[in-house]
Amino acid sequence: GENVEQHPSTLSVQEGDSAVIKCTYSDSASNYFPWYKQELGKRPQLIIDIRSNVGEKKDQRIAVTLNKTAKHFSLHITETQPEDSAVYFCALIGRRALTFGSGTRLQVQP
Amino acid sequence: DAGITQSPRHKVTETGTPVTLRCHQTENHRYMYWYRQDPGHGLRLIHYSYGVKDTDKGEVSDGYSVSRSKTEDFLLTLESATSSQTSVYFCAISVGRSIMNTEAFFGQGTRLTVV
Repeated sequence: GENVEQHPSTLSVQEGDSAVIKCTYSDSASNYFPWYKQELGKRPQLIIDIRSNVGEKKDQRIAVTLNKTAKHFSLHITETQPEDSAVYFCALIGRRALTFGSGTRLQVQP
Repeated sequence: DAGITQSPRHKVTETGTPVTLRCHQTENHRYMYWYRQDPGHGLRLIHYSYGVKDTDKGEVSDGYSVSRSKTEDFLLTLESATSSQTSVYFCAISVGRSIMNTEAFFGQGTRLTVV
């Protein structure tokens, strides 16, 4: 089946710094790559996604880049704020369902 | 929230008992999924459904069964609960005409404890 590896598992940054989370995958047929944010005790929610015909997508302070040749995609958060503290999951569409990475716990220190 | 609700939200059950979790949606979406979430493992797919009576296994399906007799309901059953099935269970739906072109929305989750 599909496999997606996510790194790092934990990330601590100072408020205002940037954070980068990276995922690698093995199934070259994947063409949809979403990122989810999960706050403590809440459900995961989509924050940004990218499709295989695009190399980069931005939405205010967050951006996602995709390198299909190298089979990796990354989430970039700039000017981090305390409310960015959460667990972030990358995902991709496998043959029949979303497959998730193991998650990155981001802690933004004020 | 795409009209998706899970019940119950919390449950404590004894080892060996059967348990059924319900996922209900109000917007007639075709694709529905059950995931479990455990520390260090992210969200792992248990079972999924492409429509009424069309279900299939995910990566961690052992000990679980599902049914979808109506579009709006996707039931997850633990045949004989074990302590290893203590977890948070999330139902999700895909909003879109194709699985390859869709956004997923999650229910609120069900925290299940097997003692």
